[in-house]
Amino acid sequence: QVQLVQSGAEVKKPGSSVKVSCRASGGAFSSHAITWMRQAPGQGLEWIGGIIPLFATPTYAPEFQGRVTVVADESVNTVYLELSSLTFEDTAVYFCARDRDELSTVSFFDSWGQGTRVTVSS
Amino acid sequence: IVMTQSPATLSVFPGERATLSCRASQTITSNVAWYQQKPGQAPRLLIYGASTRATGIPARFSGSGSGTEFTLTISSLQSEDSAVYYCQQYNNWPPERTFGQGTKVEIK
Repeated sequence: QVQLVQSGAEVKKPGSSVKVSCRASGGAFSSHAITWMRQAPGQGLEWIGGIIPLFATPTYAPEFQGRVTVVADESVNTVYLELSSLTFEDTAVYFCARDRDELSTVSFFDSWGQGTRVTVSS
Repeated sequence: IVMTQSPATLSVFPGERATLSCRASQTITSNVAWYQQKPGQAPRLLIYGASTRATGIPARFSGSGSGTEFTLTISSLQSEDSAVYYCQQYNNWPPERTFGQGTKVEIK
C-alpha cells in the first residue's frame, strides 16, 4: 500500500503563505489523485482540493479558490499545497490522502499522510 | 451536498451494538465511505461503496444504505473502537467531497 509522508509543522503570521508537501512511496503515483483536507481544532474534515499528477490540472473547493495552489512533481513523487493570505481561521491540521480509484478526482481515500499542523499566530 | 450524522455522541457498553447514521442532502446512490479517527491520528478507511469493508477491517464493522440514508454498525463494540467516525460522499456531481460532522463513540 502506498505510504504518504508530509512535511513538518509550520507557524505562520497572518497574511503570509504556507507550503506543505506530501511525498508518496510504495505504490502508483501519477494515476491516482492526491487530495488535501484540513481539520481545525476539535472540528471535522474539510476538503480543500486535489490533483491527478498525470494530468496536472487541480480541482479546488469553492471556499479556497483564489488563494490555494496544488501542484505535483512527478520526479519526486510529491504533491504540494500552498495556501496564501492566511488568517487565524486557517489554523488546522492539514492532511493529504490518496484517492483509491485511478484517474478519478471523485473517490474515497485509502491512504493518508500523518498530518501537518499549521498554526497562524501573530 | 451536505452530510448530516447522528447522534453526535454515542455511549455503548463493550460487546453491545453501535449504530451510526448519516444522511445526504441529495441522492448519492452508494457513493459513501466511512472512516475511523482516533486522537492525534489520520482517519482510517473502514467502508466504501456504502457496504464494502476495506482491507484488514474487522467483520464487526458493516455498512448499509443507499440513496440518502446510510448506516455504520459495529456489531460488538470493543474498547479499541472508541473513536470519532465520519461519513464522506463522493458523488460524481457536483465534483466535491464532503464529510459529515462526525459521531464520537464512547465506551461505557
